[in-house]
Amino acid sequence: AQKVTQAQTEISVVEKEDVTLDCVYETRDTTYYLFWYKQPPSGELVFLIRRNSFDEQNEISGRYSWNFQKSTSSFNFTITASQVVDSAVYFCGGQGGKLIFGQGTELSVKP
Amino acid sequence: DSGVTQTPKHLITATGQRVTLRCSPRSGDLSVYWYQQSLDQGLQFLIQYYNGEERAKGNILERFSAQQFPDLHSELNLSSLELGDSALYFCASSAKGVGYEQYFGPGTRLTVT
Repeated sequence: AQKVTQAQTEISVVEKEDVTLDCVYETRDTTYYLFWYKQPPSGELVFLIRRNSFDEQNEISGRYSWNFQKSTSSFNFTITASQVVDSAVYFCGGQGGKLIFGQGTELSVKP
Repeated sequence: DSGVTQTPKHLITATGQRVTLRCSPRSGDLSVYWYQQSLDQGLQFLIQYYNGEERAKGNILERFSAQQFPDLHSELNLSSLELGDSALYFCASSAKGVGYEQYFGPGTRLTVT
């Protein structure tokens, strides 16, 4: 069985703070894929990143960065210098066969 | 805009009724997925179709069914609706199957009264 755990239900930060969203994916599969999606208040789900289980290199895209550590099954997401527009619910997903999601972390960035 | 379209945007219906949700995938995508998002259950995978064939099933109730047509659009049929079926239903598409990023449509908000 697979399980995605996002331990933080809600995070509140002040603009320009850095924030890290945690995600742990438990699976018996040796090959799997990890994803992050953003759900802004408008409701749509926006794809952010995909990572496969063989690639442990960190990835950076602008103010976003992701750290995958296979040994701890963690795939954490960091937003540097957060902005109000980053306020959203962020979902981590894991896929061996089916894509399953964690419960989401609601990030609130206050001005 | 993800390129995935869903209709209708909102649907209000009564218990016991049947509704059909429609999804058109991104151009060229062969896989279509359906998800249900509710406050108590979170974002749950329902079912996947790949090029017209059912590929994977998740927590889909027997009252629900789906299909993917030759033009690759998909429909999700919900019957004998209950209050608890009120949720946001998302369709997503991907180029192929496992490992490919899924692009989500805007969702259909279903309210059962």
